[in-house]
Amino acid sequence: DGGITQSPKYLFRKEGQNVTLSCEQNLNHDAMYWYRQDPGQGLRLIYYSQIVNDFQKGDIAEGYSVSREKKESFPLTVTSAQKNPTAFYLCASSPAVTQETQYFGPGTRLLVL
Amino acid sequence: KQEVTQIPAALSVPEGENLVLNCSFTDSAIYNLQWFRQDPGKGLTSLLLIQSSQREQTSGRLNASLDKSSGRSTLYIAASQPGDSATYLCAVEGGSYIPTFGRGTSLIVHP
Repeated sequence: DGGITQSPKYLFRKEGQNVTLSCEQNLNHDAMYWYRQDPGQGLRLIYYSQIVNDFQKGDIAEGYSVSREKKESFPLTVTSAQKNPTAFYLCASSPAVTQETQYFGPGTRLLVL
Repeated sequence: KQEVTQIPAALSVPEGENLVLNCSFTDSAIYNLQWFRQDPGKGLTSLLLIQSSQREQTSGRLNASLDKSSGRSTLYIAASQPGDSATYLCAVEGGSYIPTFGRGTSLIVHP
């Protein structure tokens, strides 16, 4: 069954803590993306990757970091520098970063304790 | 910078009505426009993708039109059902190949 998985579904972060959100896809897609969604807001792009070992900052990259060591995986780390991390995080992938439909994972909701 | 606006922000209708959701964008130099559905607490599901050279796309009870020159798209839902209740987002893709999303229209169809 092909698709995108995100884990965990809910994640709690303590003050000063870094946390990592997982995103895995078995669609053989080259491009992967991370978005942040706040209530009543559209999706805002955090980072994207066109190919393994390459990634680019999006509109709101400050306080976040990513890696792309494998084609299937694009983990997102929310660092302690991100002062307002509470949000719904969505991972997506597409065959390439050019005029292709994006496929989305189920999302991870991050809450701050 | 591309801006995408969706009107209305929320809509509540009785079952069976035909609906029109609107999406407007400021930069008409786009490659495509896509409509997504999002259920509460879930990811996005692609409904329709319209390439810039196309005027409309249809899938079942859904029809999306695109007028690139005026920066507008509409999503038409025929004979709405309670199962259509969700948030509908549009996204436009331009020169950067990264889509810009609107804030969505929250739709409730009540029996």
